[in-house]
Parts: sequence; structure tokens; C-alpha cells
Amino acid sequence: GNSVTQMEGPVTLSEEAFLTINCTYTATGYPSLFWYVQYPGEGLQLLLKATKADDKGSNKGFEATYRKETTSFHLEKGSVQVSDSAVYFCALNSGSEKLVFGKGTKLTVNP
Amino acid sequence: DTAVSQTPKYLVTQMGNDKSIKCEQNLGHDTMYWYKQDSKKFLKIMFSYNNKELIINETVPNRFSPKSPDKAHLNLHINSLELGDSAVYFCASSRGQGNGNTIYFGEGSWLTVV
Repeated sequence: GNSVTQMEGPVTLSEEAFLTINCTYTATGYPSLFWYVQYPGEGLQLLLKATKADDKGSNKGFEATYRKETTSFHLEKGSVQVSDSAVYFCALNSGSEKLVFGKGTKLTVNP
Repeated sequence: DTAVSQTPKYLVTQMGNDKSIKCEQNLGHDTMYWYKQDSKKFLKIMFSYNNKELIINETVPNRFSPKSPDKAHLNLHINSLELGDSAVYFCASSRGQGNGNTIYFGEGSWLTVV
């Protein structure tokens, strides 16, 4: 079945540090890949997405590239801010009308 | 303008009670969903509807009954609430079928069963 594996958290960084959150997937066919973010006490927001191999999704300084050869969609940001503290979810949709989520990675950015 | 709105945002209730969570989307989407987020933040789909028809039912107990009066609304009714039902329930919607469609989530309903 389809599945998403993302790095275990929590991740704690200092402001302006480089962020990578690893995400790999297993899927049949050609899924679309997503990163969602959940700020404390809030709902899920779409951060970025990519729908085919080699696509790069980007938003708010975050980037992720759809790598079919390594079945990965790692999230990166060059310089994190305190306001980026949240839980980040990698997800895939393989056309079965549902998102399959990873377990989430909690990021804390300290000033 | 809120795209996917759900009410109530917080709900505390006793075991055995029946409760409902309402959801509405104003995006003109055809497909709506309910997801459950457990205490470890794990998210899993419960149901999806396309144009008021049930598409996905992920082995959710019969105590959970979704109802879609029209394609802009998908309500979740829960009978005989149990402690293990405590979770955050997210309503969501998407334009339709196809894996490239973005799914938009509501702000969640925090249910606590005591």
C-alpha cells in the first residue's frame, strides 16, 4: 500500500539555521506530493506541492523537489525563523481520493 | 473568507453522549472529507464524499455517521462517544478526483470525551 515516512522529530534549531526534513514515500503509479504545516493550536495549511517527477514546490522560503529515483520529497529552508515553529507533514495522493500522511515532524526554532 | 469552516472548534462531552460536527465549504468543490488526528498527531482519513455520494469509508466504527445534504456540506455525527474518540477532527475539500488536486482543510474540531 501507499505510505509516507518522514524523519522523527522533534527538530530544534536556532534562528537562521538551515532546515531539512526528510520524506520518502512508497506508492503505486505516479502520486502527487505535498507538505502541510500545522501551527500550534491551528489547522492544516498547504505549504507546497509537486505533481510530477523533478517538479519543485516552493512557498514562504521552503522548497521541496519531487525525486522519483529516490522516492523522496525532502523539505528545505535556508534560514528558519521563530515563526516557522510548527508540525510539518509530508503527504501523497496517488489518485485514490485520499491523502496519506507521514507522522509529522515537530520543528522548534529558538531565537 | 473562510474556505472550509467547521463548528464547533472545541467540544467537551461525556462518554455515551451523541454529538455532531458541522462542515461547510465555499470553494465550489465536489469532494469533501473527514480526517482524524490522534493524540500523537497522526492523521488518517475517515470518509470522503463526492457530490454527496460516499466514496471512502476507512473502516470507521458504525458510531460515526457522515451526512452530506449537499456538496457544500459534510457533517459528522458520532453516537455513544467513547474516551478513545478524543481527537482533532478535520474537515477538508478538493475540486474533484485526480491525484493532483489540492485538499484544503478546515481549522479542526478538538473533541474531548470525559
